[in-house]
Amino acid sequence: QQPVQSPQAVILREGEDAVINCSSSKALYSVHWYRQKHGEAPVFLMILLKGGEQKGHEKISASFNEKKQQSSLYLTASQLSYSGTYFCALTNNFNKFYFGSGTKLNVKP
Amino acid sequence: DVKVTQSSRYLVKRTGEKVFLECVQDMDHENMFWYRQDPGLGLRLIYFSYDVKMKEKGDIPEGYSVSREKKERFSLILESASTNQTSMYLCASSSLRDRGFSGEQFFGPGTRLTVL
Repeated sequence: QQPVQSPQAVILREGEDAVINCSSSKALYSVHWYRQKHGEAPVFLMILLKGGEQKGHEKISASFNEKKQQSSLYLTASQLSYSGTYFCALTNNFNKFYFGSGTKLNVKP
Repeated sequence: DVKVTQSSRYLVKRTGEKVFLECVQDMDHENMFWYRQDPGLGLRLIYFSYDVKMKEKGDIPEGYSVSREKKERFSLILESASTNQTSMYLCASSSLRDRGFSGEQFFGPGTRLTVL
């Protein structure tokens, strides 16, 4: 039941954009996105509860398509501080989470 | 400043030992979670608890048990540690939002367990 994330890894130059996708074979109730820097715990970025709704966090936004059972994370004009591993976490009941395997993002100067 | 703390950052145990990992949160959260994190596999849910003395199995509960006697504390127990339980263990907590959805998860710093 683990969601599938793509791509597995991305290398960007500062200022470039990236999209990370997350898909599930099960019906979804909500999607969380987290970022984990090396040697640190994951940190929450955003939550999406409704189909098709986009939420924003500075230059990071996300969409959630219930019908397609997919979510995408959009990173605009990337900064060095965006480097890390991004995880989506899906719930198909209210409290049980399934994390994706992660997308490693490396932003270079 | 909200906090989830874990009893140890690093732990080395022998095969067959009983191991206790403790997690404490100070946010009065209803939900608490135990994950293990291995390279390339993301975070996998071992157990979670939505109330005191209430627990549910996650994806990989075999070889583990949990205890939640107080709201702020959630313990993970390895009944008889084995080498394949060498991993990073992360505890998290979350509150319940409107409509019963779990809010954002706050993670502890993790315990890196090595079983020899």
